[in-house]
Amino acid sequence: AQRVTQPEKLLSVFKGAPVELKCNYSYSGSPELFWYVQYSRQRLQLLLRHISRESIKGFTADLNKGETSFHLKKPFAQEEDSAMYYCALKGNYQLIWGAGTKLIIKP
Amino acid sequence: DTGVSQNPRHKITKRGQNVTFRCDPISEHNRLYWYRQTLGQGPEFLTYFQNEAQLEKSRLLSDRFSAERPKGSFSTLEIQRTEQGDSAMYLCASSLGAASYNEQFFGPGTRLTVL
Repeated sequence: AQRVTQPEKLLSVFKGAPVELKCNYSYSGSPELFWYVQYSRQRLQLLLRHISRESIKGFTADLNKGETSFHLKKPFAQEEDSAMYYCALKGNYQLIWGAGTKLIIKP
Repeated sequence: DTGVSQNPRHKITKRGQNVTFRCDPISEHNRLYWYRQTLGQGPEFLTYFQNEAQLEKSRLLSDRFSAERPKGSFSTLEIQRTEQGDSAMYLCASSLGAASYNEQFFGPGTRLTVL
């Protein structure tokens, strides 16, 4: 079965501390994975995708096929990073989503 | 605003009533998706259009739900005989692409409350 698991509903860290948002997936083929972010009162938007291997707003994510993980990391959290973060897996046409992690950056 | 738009933004209805939502995708996007999101959960796929053809429907889309995309432009999602369990945020997204995935751009959503 195709599934995305985000084990943490809430993650709270201090400004300047490292952040790691966990994502694990279940997929039989070659996965395509994404991180979407939703800031307060804004719509969902793409943060990054694994095939691009890019860093957006200081965030990176590495696909680990052995551990079936796609964790999102940032070395130094900023207050503007506070948001809901969703990990998503590409299905046949649609995206399959995790339940999301609410990230709170404390000043 | 050239992004995806959805109307209405909020809808409150009584159980048993029919409701219809509209989504206007980004104009050149040929793919359109409907998702449903309940509190504390990520979006769940409902249905997908490529141009005017509805190519995929989730089993979540019961016979009370119907979606159309006439002429491959805007789309409507209708829920007949609403139930309290239909209360959710209904999200529309669009993308431009052929065989491979392209970034999905999301609308602000329509929040449905069934009393």
